[in-house]
Amino acid sequence: GDSVTQMEGPVTLSEEAFLTINCTYTATGYPSLFWYVQYPGEGLQLLLKATKADDKGSNKGFEATYRKETTSFHLEKGSVQVSDSAVYFCALSDPTSGTYKYIFGTGTRLKVLA
Amino acid sequence: EPEVTQTPSHQVTQMGQEVILRCVPISNHLYFYWYRQILGQKVEFLVSFYNNEISEKSEIFDDQFSVERPDGSNFTLKIRSTKLEDSAMYFCATSLSLREQYFGPGTRLTVT
Repeated sequence: GDSVTQMEGPVTLSEEAFLTINCTYTATGYPSLFWYVQYPGEGLQLLLKATKADDKGSNKGFEATYRKETTSFHLEKGSVQVSDSAVYFCALSDPTSGTYKYIFGTGTRLKVLA
Repeated sequence: EPEVTQTPSHQVTQMGQEVILRCVPISNHLYFYWYRQILGQKVEFLVSFYNNEISEKSEIFDDQFSVERPDGSNFTLKIRSTKLEDSAMYFCATSLSLREQYFGPGTRLTVT
């Protein structure tokens, strides 16, 4: 079945460091891909998305490119801030499932130190 | 901007009791979902609902769970006889076109 694999956390960075959180997926069809962010005690917020190969999603300085050849959707940010500390979830929505349910990765906790 | 709302934000119940979690979807959305996140773990799909019936359910969604749209607006998740392992954050999500789901803030359920 469909699955999403994320790099293990936690990831600890200094402020202004470069961030990469790896995400790879397995899907039978051509899924849409998403990154969600969850701040402590809060719900899921859509960070960015990409619906087809080579699309680049971007928001708030974060970027991710849909790479069909490597089945990846790695999240990057050039300069992280303390306020970026949160858990980041990669997810896919596979149209072949019929219901387009989301499959989430395990989440990667990011901690940014001042 | 329209948003999905959920009530209550936090529910504490005793084992064996019934709970109903409520969600108000974005108006004109047609597809509805429930997900759950046990503390510290990943978000898991429970059930999807369209045209007043379940369209898909996961292995987690056993006979103690049910969903409905009792008044055409609210979308509810009922757990008939709660267990300790039902303690989790429950997220409602809705979609207009299946391409993107909008998540509510979640209900934290604590079973004691």
